[in-house]
Amino acid sequence: GAVVSQHPSWVICKSGTSVKIECRSLDFQATTMFWYRQFPKQSLMLMATSNEGSKATYEQGVEKDKFLINHASLTLSTLTVTSAHPEDSSFYICSAIPSSSYEQYFGPGTRLTVT
Amino acid sequence: QQQVKQSPQSLIVQKGGISIINCAYENTAFDYFPWYQQFPGKGPALLIAIRPDVSEKKEGRFTISFNKSAKQFSLHIMDSQPGDSATYFCAASWFGDMRFGAGTRLTVKP
Repeated sequence: GAVVSQHPSWVICKSGTSVKIECRSLDFQATTMFWYRQFPKQSLMLMATSNEGSKATYEQGVEKDKFLINHASLTLSTLTVTSAHPEDSSFYICSAIPSSSYEQYFGPGTRLTVT
Repeated sequence: QQQVKQSPQSLIVQKGGISIINCAYENTAFDYFPWYQQFPGKGPALLIAIRPDVSEKKEGRFTISFNKSAKQFSLHIMDSQPGDSATYFCAASWFGDMRFGAGTRLTVKP
C-alpha cells in the first residue's frame, strides 16, 4: 500500500524559533500533498494544499507567511512553522494522493510543542 | 462552515455488537466518501471508501451505506471488537479537496 512518512515524529522548540516538518511519499509520486492540523480530541483541519512546483494554496485564516510550505519534488513536501508560539503547539499531519487516484494517504503525524 | 456533519460524538458498544456512525454532507459536488480510523498519536488510516454511484460497500466487518438523495452515509462495524476502539472520521472529497466530520470516539467494551 501507499506509505507516507513524516519527520520528525515529535519536536519541542522554543518560542520564536522556526521548525521544519518533512512529508514524504515513499512508494509513489504525489503531485498534490495536504497539510492538516489537529488539536486534541478534535477533527483534522486542512491548512493548505501543496502542489509540486507551484505555490501552496492556503485555507482561509491560515497565515501563509507563518506556515511556509514547499513542495520541491513529487515525493517531498515541507512545512516550516516560523517564529513559533505556544499556540502553534499541535499535531500536524500531512497526506498525499497518488497520481490518478482519489485516495488520500496520511502520514503518522508530527507532534509540535512550543515552549 | 461545517460541510460534513458526523454523529454521534461518542459511542460505546459491547463486544460483538454493531457500531453505527452517521454522516451528512451539504455539497453535492462531493464525489468520494472515505472513512478513516485514528488511534491516539497516530495519523488517520483509510478504512473504507465509497463513490456516489454505489449505495453500499462492504469490506470484511465494515460496511458503508450511502444515500445520495438524502446526502447521508454511514459506517457499520459488525461484530465490534475492543481493538476497534478508536476515533472514526467520515470525510467527503471533491478533486482531492477533503473535508472531515468532527469524529466519533468509539469504545468497544469487552
